[in-house]
Amino acid sequence: GQQVMQIPQYQHVQEGEDFTTYCNSSTTLSNIQWYKQRPGGHPVFLIQLVKSGEVKKQKRLTFQFGEAKKNSSLHITATQTTDVGTYFCAEYGGSQGNLIFGKGTKLSVKP
Amino acid sequence: DAMVIQNPRYQVTQFGKPVTLSCSQTLNHNVMYWYQQKSSQAPKLLFHYYDKDFNNEADTPDNFQSRRPNTSFCFLDIRSPGLGDAAMYLCATSRAGGRGYNEQFFGPGTRLTVL
Repeated sequence: GQQVMQIPQYQHVQEGEDFTTYCNSSTTLSNIQWYKQRPGGHPVFLIQLVKSGEVKKQKRLTFQFGEAKKNSSLHITATQTTDVGTYFCAEYGGSQGNLIFGKGTKLSVKP
Repeated sequence: DAMVIQNPRYQVTQFGKPVTLSCSQTLNHNVMYWYQQKSSQAPKLLFHYYDKDFNNEADTPDNFQSRRPNTSFCFLDIRSPGLGDAAMYLCATSRAGGRGYNEQFFGPGTRLTVL
């Protein structure tokens, strides 16, 4: 079945360092959504990418969708302690809007 | 503010004792989802309602049932909780339509403990 692989599983950075998480698929993705889940919290929608080669920015966050629509990345510039959490990529896998989540990348930021 | 509400936030039950978790939404979304999330794992979809149409994931155990009496409310019933059912249960909603790639709005979750 459809599956999105996400790496790395964990990332520890010093505050101010950059961070990137990658989402890969062996098949063409129709779209990619990114969610952030703070420790003890619930997933919160960040962005959706649909077009080949699409790049979107939200302040220090940059989201990319590969030209072949088989991979996506989330890059955070100059991490802050508020960036701590688990970042999930997810694809809409079904006609009725079922999200298929990657396993997530857990980011910790050392002040 | 429009939102997704889950009650209770924490639920403790005994092994084999039925439990019901509830979810309500003020977003008027037509799709509602139930996810199970265990520690350090991604949310796992149990089932969803597209309006009144119930859609069960193939690997969701029969022990889990759901009801959606109206647009705003959805319930998750666990008929005989086992120790392996201890998890966070997340309710989510989305507005399906158009191209269907709509974001999901998650509730705060109910953390279930099974003794």
